[in-house]
Amino acid sequence: QSALTQPASVSGSPGQSIAMSCTGSSSDVGGFSLVSWYQHHPGKAPILLIYEVTKRPSGVSSRFSGSKSGNTASLTISGLQADDEADYYCCSYAGGSPFVIFGGGTKVAVL
Amino acid sequence: QVQLQESGPGLARPSETLSLICKVSPVSMSTYYWNWIRRPPGKGLQWIGYINYSGRTKFDPSLESRVTMSIDTSKNQFSLRLNSVTAADTALYFCASANRGSPNYFEYWGQGIGVTVSS
Repeated sequence: QSALTQPASVSGSPGQSIAMSCTGSSSDVGGFSLVSWYQHHPGKAPILLIYEVTKRPSGVSSRFSGSKSGNTASLTISGLQADDEADYYCCSYAGGSPFVIFGGGTKVAVL
Repeated sequence: QVQLQESGPGLARPSETLSLICKVSPVSMSTYYWNWIRRPPGKGLQWIGYINYSGRTKFDPSLESRVTMSIDTSKNQFSLRLNSVTAADTALYFCASANRGSPNYFEYWGQGIGVTVSS
C-alpha cells in the first residue's frame, strides 16, 4: 500500500481557519474509522492531536478537529496561531498488513 | 504522562546492523504496545513495527525480513535492530507508545534520534 496523500504545504494568517486533507483508499482511510493526526515541531516529540477520526485526547485544544468523507480525512485548525506552524501527519489503520500507514506530511505556515 | 527517550549510535555502516534503545518512564510496560517509527529525509513517517510486554511483535511487511525488536521490562526499555542497512535506512527514528486496547494510534513519542547510514 502506498503512503497516504497529503498536500505538501498549507498556509494561513493568524486567526484564520485552515484545513488539510489526507487521501487514501477503501483499504485504509475509507475502510475504517481509525485515522489519527499528529503535530511535529522539529526537534520535539510529535503530539497526538486526533484519533479515531474525530476524537481529541485530553489536553489538546478544541481548535483542532478531524473529519472523514469516503477515502479522504481532513484536519481543520481554527483560530490559527503562530505556534501552529509545524508539520502535520495523518495515519490510518490499514487492515493488518501493513498495520498502519502514514501520510507524507503537510507543512503549515502561519503568514 | 509517559516519557520515551531514544538512544544509540547516530551512524551505521552499510550492510551492518542499526541498533537503538528506547527508555520508558514512568509506566508499566504491560499497558502499551511499543512502536518504532521513522522519517527518512524529505519523506513522511513510516511505521516499522511494535512489540508488547510479552514479546509479541508485528512489523511492516517491507522491513519484516530485516527487523528484530526486543523488550526488557525490568529495565523499562525496548529495542530495535535493523540489519543489512543501506542509505535508504537513513532517517529520524522515533519510539512511541500505543494503548494496547487501540494500538492503531500513538499517544506518546520520543523526540527522535537521527541515524545516518554511511561508510
